[in-house]
Amino acid sequence: DTAVSQTPKYLVTQMGNDKSIKCEQNLGHDTMYWYKQDSKKFLKIMFSYNNKELIINETVPNRFSPKSPDKAHLNLHINSLELGDSAVYFCASSFSLDRGANYGYTFGSGTRLTVV
Amino acid sequence: AQKVTQAQTEISVVEKEDVTLDCVYETRDTTYYLFWYKQPPSGELVFLIRRNSFDEQNEISGRYSWNFQKSTSSFNFTITASQVVDSAVYFCALTEFGNEKLTFGTGTRLTIIP
Repeated sequence: DTAVSQTPKYLVTQMGNDKSIKCEQNLGHDTMYWYKQDSKKFLKIMFSYNNKELIINETVPNRFSPKSPDKAHLNLHINSLELGDSAVYFCASSFSLDRGANYGYTFGSGTRLTVV
Repeated sequence: AQKVTQAQTEISVVEKEDVTLDCVYETRDTTYYLFWYKQPPSGELVFLIRRNSFDEQNEISGRYSWNFQKSTSSFNFTITASQVVDSAVYFCALTEFGNEKLTFGTGTRLTIIP
């Protein structure tokens, strides 16, 4: 039983295409995140959703649009892909802090996106 | 603003040596949480430890130990009797209370030489 699952694991696509990455968690968490890891391994948050509501939106190009149909799913849609979008994208989930202490974050296994 | 610094970009040690990975953090909050994650060559992020700012007790888990010192804003990680399977990139991370964002350091690539 995978706690946070992302699909696909690998995605190779041409510049200009539109693609989506899906994420699902079965931990009962109410907050989900997208993180981007660049070629230098630097990990940076992109978005966070709490109960389907956007709560964090870092300075990400508006070609990136997250969508959360319910609190167990957070998908990432990317329009007009560019070479610089090549990275590993990690989905994560947690309980929101209004439940008390921060119990930590569970990460998916990542999606390696290569734009050619 | 929260910030995490891992000054060691790469470390190589011979198997069975002990190694310490440094982590220095910055935060204005009095309540915060610190984490260590391991990223092996397979790419997934593996949770190692979480520590809140009110718990300064050091922790030991098998060959792993963590030294949390609020006076120096450091949360260092030591691997005792290192093994080849410890080869990975290790990330220290911080989140402030009331802030859902987890801020990562730049990571330390640890290579254990057989």
